Amino acid sequence: GDSVTQMEGPVTLSEEAFLTINCTYTATGYPSLFWYVQYPGEGLQLLLKATKADDKGSNKGFEATYRKETTSFHLEKGSVQVSDSAVYFCALSGTTDSWGKLQFGAGTQVVVTP
Amino acid sequence: DGGITQSPKYLFRKEGQNVTLSCEQNLNHDAMYWYRQDPGQGLRLIYYSQIVNDFQKGDIAEGYSVSREKKESFPLTVTSAQKNPTAFYLCASSMGQGFSDTQYFGPGTRLTVL
Repeated sequence: GDSVTQMEGPVTLSEEAFLTINCTYTATGYPSLFWYVQYPGEGLQLLLKATKADDKGSNKGFEATYRKETTSFHLEKGSVQVSDSAVYFCALSGTTDSWGKLQFGAGTQVVVTP
Repeated sequence: DGGITQSPKYLFRKEGQNVTLSCEQNLNHDAMYWYRQDPGQGLRLIYYSQIVNDFQKGDIAEGYSVSREKKESFPLTVTSAQKNPTAFYLCASSMGQGFSDTQYFGPGTRLTVL
């Protein structure tokens, strides 16, 4: 079945540092890929998505490129702020195993210190 | 404002009781979903519904039940058969177009069994 693997956290960074969160997937077919963010005590918010190979999703300074050859969708941000402290989830959808359903990674907690 | 509401925000249950979590959306979405989140883990799908009066089991449906009598509403009942119900429950909805469909999440309900 489909699966998503994320790097374990917590990831602790200083403000203005560069952030990378690795995400790789296993899927049958051609999934859509998502990054969601969860702030403490809240639900998930869509951060960005990509629906086909080589697509780049971007939002709020975050970027991720859909790499089919490496089955990856790594999240990056060039200069993080304290307000970026949250848990980030990589997810996939849209394969024969998962019509419309999201398959999530375990999440990566990011802590940004002043 | 369009969105998804979940109530209550916090819920306490005694062992042996059934409880119902509310989820309402005014986004005119066809599909709705229930996820469970445990500390340090990703989200796991409990049930989903692609259309009114129809729903399917997700990965961890045992001990839960749902109904979908109205497009806007998708309540989840946690029954006494659910052995470990303490968790954060998230409801989501999407347009229901299947592949690459973006899901939008509510703020969640935290259930604690006393």
